[in-house]
Amino acid sequence: GENVEQHPSTLSVQEGDSAVIKCTYSDSASNYFPWYKQELGKRPQLIIDIRSNVGEKKDQRIAVTLNKTAKHFSLHITETQPEDSAVYFCAASTPGNQFYFGTGTSLTVIP
Amino acid sequence: DTAVSQTPKYLVTQMGNDKSIKCEQNLGHDTMYWYKQDSKKFLKIMFSYNNKELIINETVPNRFSPKSPDKAHLNLHINSLELGDSAVYFCASSQDHGGYGTQYFGPGTRLLVL
Repeated sequence: GENVEQHPSTLSVQEGDSAVIKCTYSDSASNYFPWYKQELGKRPQLIIDIRSNVGEKKDQRIAVTLNKTAKHFSLHITETQPEDSAVYFCAASTPGNQFYFGTGTSLTVIP
Repeated sequence: DTAVSQTPKYLVTQMGNDKSIKCEQNLGHDTMYWYKQDSKKFLKIMFSYNNKELIINETVPNRFSPKSPDKAHLNLHINSLELGDSAVYFCASSQDHGGYGTQYFGPGTRLLVL
């Protein structure tokens, strides 16, 4: 089955700086890679996703890049704000299969 | 935001008891899931149902039994609760099974076994 590794497990940045979270996956058949944000005490919510036919996707301050050859994808948050503080999960899935979630990254943005 | 709802929100119970958690989605999705999130925040899939049929049954003790009376509902019954069952349980739904189907999560049920 698929194995998704996520790094770092914790990340602290100063407000206004950028944050990068990286994930690697093992199954070359995986073709959908969503990112979820979970605020304290809340449910995980999708913030951005990318499909395997695209190398990069951007939505305002967040972007995701995908390197299919190396089997890794990354979440980039620019101009971080205190409200970006949360746990972020990456995931990978193949068609007709379930999501495999990474182990999460706890991001703290220091004002 | 009641797209995916769960009841109860909090559940405190004694070891050995039997309890149920209910989940309903009004998104018209075909697939529903149960996840367990432990204190280390790992999101571990337990079950998934597609159109009322069990698709995924991960290595979960058989004290846990899901039931899907229709594709909008997926309930989780837990027998003989143990201390290690304490966690947050999330229900989720997606239009299809895996692939490109974004998963929408419920608010979670915080279970504490004493």
